[in-house]
Amino acid sequence: DTAVSQTPKYLVTQMGNDKSIKCEQNLGHDTMYWYKQDSKKFLKIMFSYNNKELIINETVPNRFSPKSPDKAHLNLHINSLELGDSAVYFCASSLGTSGSTDTQYFGPGTRLTVL
Amino acid sequence: AQSVTQPDIHITVSEGASLELRCNYSYGATPYLFWYVQSPGQGLQLLLKYFSGDTLVQGIKGFEAEFKRSQSSFNLRKPSVHWSDAAEYFCAVGTHTDKLIFGTGTRLQVFP
Repeated sequence: DTAVSQTPKYLVTQMGNDKSIKCEQNLGHDTMYWYKQDSKKFLKIMFSYNNKELIINETVPNRFSPKSPDKAHLNLHINSLELGDSAVYFCASSLGTSGSTDTQYFGPGTRLTVL
Repeated sequence: AQSVTQPDIHITVSEGASLELRCNYSYGATPYLFWYVQSPGQGLQLLLKYFSGDTLVQGIKGFEAEFKRSQSSFNLRKPSVHWSDAAEYFCAVGTHTDKLIFGTGTRLQVFP
């Protein structure tokens, strides 16, 4: 049973396209996150949602728009893709609102390559 | 500003040898500290965490870490490394604004 799942696992696309990455968690958690891991393995939070409400919005271009249809799903839509968007994107979830103290469970990642 | 430093980018050890991965943090209040492991092509898995209390914490897979406030450190240790421990290890500090700040990671290679 996959706790946090992401689709697709790999995504290759051209510059300027719009793409979405989906994330689902079956842990009953209230909080979900998106992280970006660059080519040097540096991980940085992008967004977090708690019960469909945006909690954290780091300095991310507004081409990135998270959408949470329900608390089990947090999708990431990216408009007008750029070369610099190439990275591995991780979804994560945690039980409550105090994400920094609750364990965050990570998905397997989506490797996005922009050509 | 909060930050996490992992001074060692890459460490190589022989199977059966002991291991210590270093982590230093900068945070104004009492930190919440975590170690995560990322196997190739996988997501991150929590090894252990420290919030308060006993400064020596035990985790999964035989790992432990010690919080030393005076040194602002939270080093990860394992007495005997197995080949399956080869992975990327990330130290992270949790903040009161609900986000994790990660270090840049240490890649562990294990030779037979």
